Amino acid sequence: DQQVKQNSPSLSVQEGRISILNCDYTNSMFDYFLWYKKYPAEGPTFLISISSIKDKNEDGRFTVFLNKSAKHLSLHIVPSQPGDSAVYFCAASGSYTDKLIFGTGTRLQVFP
Amino acid sequence: DTGVSQDPRHKITKRGQNVTFRCDPISEHNRLYWYRQTLGQGPEFLTYFQNEAQLEKSRLLSDRFSAERPKGSFSTLEIQRTEQGDSAMYLCASSLSQGGEKLFFGSGTQLSVL
Repeated sequence: DQQVKQNSPSLSVQEGRISILNCDYTNSMFDYFLWYKKYPAEGPTFLISISSIKDKNEDGRFTVFLNKSAKHLSLHIVPSQPGDSAVYFCAASGSYTDKLIFGTGTRLQVFP
Repeated sequence: DTGVSQDPRHKITKRGQNVTFRCDPISEHNRLYWYRQTLGQGPEFLTYFQNEAQLEKSRLLSDRFSAERPKGSFSTLEIQRTEQGDSAMYLCASSLSQGGEKLFFGSGTQLSVL
């Protein structure tokens, strides 16, 4: 039962343009959502998060949008840079659980 | 550097052998998690500790797997009688027990079972 889904396994974007990564979830009990970035041979690193009481959170070039009614969130990166090339994981948690549930990831490639 | 440290980074073993991995969390973090990641998948939860107490174990954690966190500091994950299906990246993470589980991950231990 995949509670957090990232349906696009890969995304290719030109440098300077916007990257939009999508994530869907099925569990309405989730109330906290996070995005992690992972380079090869390294552990995931935290990027940005959002609480379910908000619909948007911004941190520099990164913005996360949450649509609770659609059980959908997205990560916008603008402008995209080659150093953003990595695998991005969406994760969720709820007050009923103390663990993060991860999606399968989207590999972003930013080309010059 | 006071990040999460995992040892070893890579482990190659033969099927049937036992292996043990170590994780040193960020010192002030009281929660420690173990996850497993296979190719093309996201990290999958295995187990977690709050201080020295193991509070939850996933169904993925068969009886061949055991984790400990003596004294609430470092943790070990042991796999007995390894199988080829155990080949994966084993990730350790730590956090403070507060709302919003922002986990800090180590670089992982890549296990290959031949």
